[in-house]
Amino acid sequence: AQKVTQAQTEISVVEKEDVTLDCVYETRDTTYYLFWYKQPPSGELVFLIRRNSFDEQNEISGRYSWNFQKSTSSFNFTITASQVVDSAVYFCALSEAGSGGYQKVTFGTGTKLQVIP
Amino acid sequence: DTEVTQTPKHLVMGMTNKKSLKCEQHMGHRAMYWYKQKAKKPPELMFVYSYEKLSINESVPSRFSPECPNSSLLNLHLHALQPEDSALYLCASSQYRDRVEKLFFGSGTQLSVL
Repeated sequence: AQKVTQAQTEISVVEKEDVTLDCVYETRDTTYYLFWYKQPPSGELVFLIRRNSFDEQNEISGRYSWNFQKSTSSFNFTITASQVVDSAVYFCALSEAGSGGYQKVTFGTGTKLQVIP
Repeated sequence: DTEVTQTPKHLVMGMTNKKSLKCEQHMGHRAMYWYKQKAKKPPELMFVYSYEKLSINESVPSRFSPECPNSSLLNLHLHALQPEDSALYLCASSQYRDRVEKLFFGSGTQLSVL
């Protein structure tokens, strides 16, 4: 069974600080995909990144960066120079390829980030 | 157009009412999903439709009845709900059901059952 753990329930930072959101996953498959989604107060989940299990390259997109380490089963997300608009709940998620013929995504419990001006 | 539109945004209903939630996407996606999200919890999968056919029902009670009239529309019919069914109901779509790809979510319907 797959499992995603986001140990940080809530984080508060002051604007312009850097913040890292932790994600640890468990899976028995060798092929799997990891995601990060952002859920602002408006409700919709917004896709941020997808990473497959064979690609351990870290990625940077603007102020966002992701660190994928298979050795520790972690897929951490860092926001540099945080802004108030980054305030949201962030979900890490795991999906195994071909699981039952459909894409079943296992979400972590989410980390609520509050950026204080 | 990369939007998933859900209506209504808010819904209050009694336990004897019948109501419907609507979801629409015009991205040509062939897989559509209903998720239920309780407060401070992650989304939980309810149903998956692929090519307008129900593929997955995650043991959802029969008081929730999904319908996919065409490739762009997904409905969720509600009848005789319980107060514990109060939650945010999210619709999502992806290009295909059987590939692992990003999901596009609507902003949800916040449902309150009295």
